[in-house]
Parts: sequence; C-alpha cells; structure tokens
Amino acid sequence: NAGVTQTPKFRVLKTGQSMTLLCAQDMNHEYMYWYRQDPGMGLRLIHYSVGEGTTAKGEVPDGYNVSRLKKQNFLLGLESAAPSQTSVYFCASSPRGDSFYGYTFGSGTRLTVV
Amino acid sequence: AQSVTQLDSQVPVFEEAPVELRCNYSSSVSVYLFWYVQYPNQGLQLLLKYLSGSTLVESINGFEAEFNKSQTSFHLRKPSVHISDTAEYYCAVRISGNTPLVFGKGTRLSVIA
Repeated sequence: NAGVTQTPKFRVLKTGQSMTLLCAQDMNHEYMYWYRQDPGMGLRLIHYSVGEGTTAKGEVPDGYNVSRLKKQNFLLGLESAAPSQTSVYFCASSPRGDSFYGYTFGSGTRLTVV
Repeated sequence: AQSVTQLDSQVPVFEEAPVELRCNYSSSVSVYLFWYVQYPNQGLQLLLKYLSGSTLVESINGFEAEFNKSQTSFHLRKPSVHISDTAEYYCAVRISGNTPLVFGKGTRLSVIA
C-alpha cells in the first residue's frame, strides 16, 4: 500500500550514541515533516523539507539534523542522543505546502535513550 | 504567535452517549483546520478538515466539526460514540501560506461500556 514508511519502529540508545531515523514515501510528495510526540505535549515540529535538497527548522530543532537527498526520503539524525530525546517520532508528507490535502503520517518510531 | 488549544486532555464518556471535543485557535486570518485521530500504537489519520465554504464538515464515521470564526473554535462532535472511537484526537491548524501544521496537545477519548 502507498504511504509513509518509518524505520526502525523501536530503538533503545545509550546516552551519547548516534542514530538515523529513515522516512520513505512513495506518493511523490514534495513536503515532508518530522514531529516528536510526548505525553501532554502533543506533536511538535522538529524539521521539515519543502523539496529535494531543502530543509528548514521547526519548533524544536536542537539536537537533531536532517537531510533530503532524494525526494522520497527524509532522514532524521541524532548525533549524540540525550534522555530528553526519548519520544515517539512521526514522519509525515504532503503534496502541497498549504496542507490542502492534510498530511499522511507514518506509524512512528519509538525511541528510548537510557 | 499561533497556537491551538485543546481544552480537555481526557474525556471519558459512556457508550452511545454524545461527545464534544473542544478546540480553539488563535489567529485573525484565514485558516485551514483539521482533526486527526490516533488509535493505540498507530500513526495519525485525518478525520476531517475545514478549508472554506460550509462551516459544518463531516467524517465518514459520524463525527462532525463546526468552524466558528467569531469564537475561533473548531469543536468536534459525535451524537453517539462507540467503543471503537476510543483514541487520541488532535486538532491542527494551518495559519497561512505554506507554514506547517501546528497541533494541539491532544484529547484522549475513552469510551466506557
């Protein structure tokens, strides 16, 4: 089925370790987004991309980096993980920047930093 | 600054009773408004949206929301809930242009048998 695929689904990291979360979409969407979901905080935007080769900061970008080398992929990197980055991470995509069609979300990556 | 406020963090309701999940936003310009639903251990799914035109919008599973510009609200309602409606519900707003969606903190709807 077409959609947004996130890998991995679960991960446990030690403080200071690095990792990359992969988001892949097969709908030819231009816009892609990374959000984190925390209890009582809802979804907060980390970074987003308006097209291949472009990225922009969201509300909570510190400690994360992103890359969009191919249109279908949007990578989220943690260079030195901290316990505060324990969260569920959601990737989303959209064909238009004005959100006319809303977003399509992946199923999430649950990350625990110990 | 733009913001979305979901007034209730948790809403317990008995099966077949009506429910209203409240959402207010702060903006003085045209907005797009959305409700998303998240079932346990899943991603978010679009439930319904308001872009323009009729202020009352409906979903295929019996939910409806009404855009009220004067009260800057977009409350979600269902006249009779089912156990299967138990989920987290998020209100989201696009303020203008190509700015990303801003989400509220969510409301956990628990339907009790």
